[in-house]
Amino acid sequence: GDSVTQMEGPVTLSEEAFLTINCTYTATGYPSLFWYVQYPGEGLQLLLKATKADDKGSNKGFEATYRKETTSFHLEKGSVQVSDSAVYFCALTLNSGYSTLTFGKGTMLLVSP
Amino acid sequence: DTGVSQNPRHKITKRGQNVTFRCDPISEHNRLYWYRQTLGQGPEFLTYFQNEAQLEKSRLLSDRFSAERPKGSFSTLEIQRTEQGDSAMYLCASSPKTRPDTQYFGPGTRLTVL
Repeated sequence: GDSVTQMEGPVTLSEEAFLTINCTYTATGYPSLFWYVQYPGEGLQLLLKATKADDKGSNKGFEATYRKETTSFHLEKGSVQVSDSAVYFCALTLNSGYSTLTFGKGTMLLVSP
Repeated sequence: DTGVSQNPRHKITKRGQNVTFRCDPISEHNRLYWYRQTLGQGPEFLTYFQNEAQLEKSRLLSDRFSAERPKGSFSTLEIQRTEQGDSAMYLCASSPKTRPDTQYFGPGTRLTVL
């Protein structure tokens, strides 16, 4: 079945460090790929998405590129802030289905001043 | 948009009791989804509505679970004869007809079964 694998956390960084959170996927069709973020005490928020190979999604300084050849969608940010501390979820949905999301387990990011 | 709302935000119940959660999606969003999230895991899909029709159910949705969306607006998720394994965060999401792959999530209902 379809699945998403993320690097385990927590990822602990100092402010202004470079961030990479790895995500790979397995899908039977042609998925759209997403990163969601969950801040402490809040609901899931869509961070960025990419709907086809080689697309780059970007938002709030975060970006991720849909790599079909490596089935990956790694999240990156050049300079993290304390306010970026949250849990990040990689997810996919099949374009041929009802758009139900399949999520990874999530990666916690902790940024210290 | 006022956002997706869910009630109650927290529910504590004893094993064997029935519970019902409500989700109010963003106005005019025709698609509504229920997910379940346990500690340390990502959300898992439970069921999906398009307008009032329930079009997909996960195998996770045992016969103790039932969901409705009677008028194509709000939805309810009922769990009968709760078990300790039902303890989780229950998330609702909705998406518009024009962008079905963009789901907006509510804050969730945290269920604790004692």
